Amino acid sequence: EVQLVESGGALVQPGGSLKLSCAASGFTFSDSAVHWVRQASGNGLEWIGHIRSRVDNYATAYAASVKGRFTISRDDSENTASLQMNSLKTEDTAVYYCTRTDAIFGVFRGWFDPWGQGTLVTVSS
Amino acid sequence: QSVLTQPPSVSGAPGQRVTISCTGSSSNIGAGYDVHWYQQIPGTAPKRLIYGNRYRPSGVPDRFSGSKSGTSASLAITGLQAEDEADYYCQSYDSSLSGSVFGGGTKLTVL
Repeated sequence: EVQLVESGGALVQPGGSLKLSCAASGFTFSDSAVHWVRQASGNGLEWIGHIRSRVDNYATAYAASVKGRFTISRDDSENTASLQMNSLKTEDTAVYYCTRTDAIFGVFRGWFDPWGQGTLVTVSS
Repeated sequence: QSVLTQPPSVSGAPGQRVTISCTGSSSNIGAGYDVHWYQQIPGTAPKRLIYGNRYRPSGVPDRFSGSKSGTSASLAITGLQAEDEADYYCQSYDSSLSGSVFGGGTKLTVL
């Protein structure tokens, strides 16, 4: 079964840091780009960034709202990806999903599938 | 303010047809990037519904169809059923932003 499972969500104070993990199974993880998407309660989906595969030099891209604060990394030997979040703000409170685009269509044409179940990050004092 | 514009809500009676629009610009849909649609039941993760503008994954009923023209795309749902009540999102790539973008989402209510 093709699957992504996020973990690491927690309550953190403003200005703090948190690292989320995404574990993949059922597909060739190393060929895929990994994306993180978040959803604040009652709001829509917001793409926050991606990391491409080795053949694309593990290139990363981020939404303006998180650039400079968030970093995406991956470990293909462990089939995992991570989202390091620093300088957290209350507006970063959301459910965070990891998802992927496949090797053929990539980040420019690809669709997000599958999605993890999401992990909740709450930034509050 | 989402890069892709969707109506906040649509509604229809069982058996009816509804459409959800997704309007972009020359840096995303109009630039030729594909549009994909996702269905999200509240409390659950989004699920791929339409990919590559008009293709349905296996398991998605043929009541769902997608199209794209110019800087816009549309999702059509025919023969509305109660189980179709959900939030729907369009997604594409934006060359100016160098990243993926979503529409703001459309809540479908089956009356």
